Amino acid sequence: KAGVTQTPRYLIKTRGQQVTLSCSPISGHRSVSWYQQTPGQGLQFLFEYFSETQRNKGNFPGRFSGRQFSNSRSEMNVSTLELGDSALYLCASSPGGVEVVGYTFGSGTRLTVV
Amino acid sequence: AQKVTQAQTEISVVEKEDVTLDCVYETRDTTYYLFWYKQPPSGELVFLIRRNSFDEQNEISGRYSWNFQKSTSSFNFTITASQVVDSAVYFCALSEVRGSGGSNYKLTFGKGTLLTVNP
Repeated sequence: KAGVTQTPRYLIKTRGQQVTLSCSPISGHRSVSWYQQTPGQGLQFLFEYFSETQRNKGNFPGRFSGRQFSNSRSEMNVSTLELGDSALYLCASSPGGVEVVGYTFGSGTRLTVV
Repeated sequence: AQKVTQAQTEISVVEKEDVTLDCVYETRDTTYYLFWYKQPPSGELVFLIRRNSFDEQNEISGRYSWNFQKSTSSFNFTITASQVVDSAVYFCALSEVRGSGGSNYKLTFGKGTLLTVNP
């Protein structure tokens, strides 16, 4: 079955702009999580969506937001971009049910803010 | 708060050597899950293993083995007879469990260990 698809793969934006990243989870998976990876802070949890509802949110400013659609696809948006937002953004999908299983990650979107 | 520590920042070995990656975690939860992921240069995180807090049975899978010890809060990963293709960053991660029947919804990662296997 198809894996987790993230688009675009690379993105260059200017400070102050906004950006939207997309993630299509594995078919049948209802949970989508987003992570930011930077050399300084490592991998940090942004938020998780399940059945179109945000279940948990990490410690990021309100400029970072997300949503999930009825087909489980998810988008995350970053407004008023700052240089420090340059990072690899990883999306992960999971069935999201009662049984605890691991997450399958996509290849990520590398965002560069100039 | 949960915390995962991977004290080894970088490890360099020669092909065919055995290598152990260390992971120490902190959590107040009695039920939790531990993971190891591998991140090659392409960037994708590749799932290697999941272990729950009630299962301390150690496991061997091919050249990989894992040593989970709750008494020392450690979850170490060993590669036997390393190969150049094993070169990657390896992450240990910890997951909470929400409620009595919840699903994991957040991973706390260590900083990662860069493993370089030289020919």
